[in-house]
Amino acid sequence: TQLLEQSPQFLSIQEGENLTVYCNSSSVFSSLQWYRQEPGEGPVLLVTVVTGGEVKKLKRLTFQFGDARKDSSLHITAAQPGDTGLYLCAGAENTPLVFGKGTRLSVIA
Amino acid sequence: ETGVTQTPRHLVMGMTNKKSLKCEQHLGHNAMYWYKQSAKKPLELMFVYSLEERVENNSVPSRFSPECPNSSHLFLHLHTLQPEDSALYLCASSQEPPSYSNQPQHFGDGTRLSIL
Repeated sequence: TQLLEQSPQFLSIQEGENLTVYCNSSSVFSSLQWYRQEPGEGPVLLVTVVTGGEVKKLKRLTFQFGDARKDSSLHITAAQPGDTGLYLCAGAENTPLVFGKGTRLSVIA
Repeated sequence: ETGVTQTPRHLVMGMTNKKSLKCEQHLGHNAMYWYKQSAKKPLELMFVYSLEERVENNSVPSRFSPECPNSSHLFLHLHTLQPEDSALYLCASSQEPPSYSNQPQHFGDGTRLSIL
């Protein structure tokens, strides 16, 4: 069974701070997706990473896929209250997506 | 309307009731999914339909019964549910069938289900 471990589980920071959340597995994935879920809504795709070592930037968000394609990180620079939400990683390897439990981020103004 | 729409948004039902959840996608996608989201657990895949045929059933109890009459609509029929079935039920769609697993999934906003 493929599992994705996300850490930290909860994170509460002040506006303007930087943060990194992690998504780790013992399994190799052909690609990894990151979603953000805001309260009362469904998850929304942020990015897909497919190549080991790949780095993708989305404004203040930087996503990295590990060289071995077993792990990924999401770094947010100068966090804003609008970044608040549940960040989910999901791995794909010839099966339907496997999701982690998520990191619940709260950015306080 | 665009995207994936789920109704109702909230549902409270007794253990002996029968109800149905509805999902509609306006994206022209070929695959549709039901997920269960509970506190402290990862998103759990329940059912996958590709081109209106069920391709995956992750050992879901028979008190949950899916129906996919066409590629745009997906239902989840509920009967004799248990309190532990209380959760957020999310519907999603993707362009390609599940074997093309790089495809992003587009989620609805879910139905919050409470079993009394």
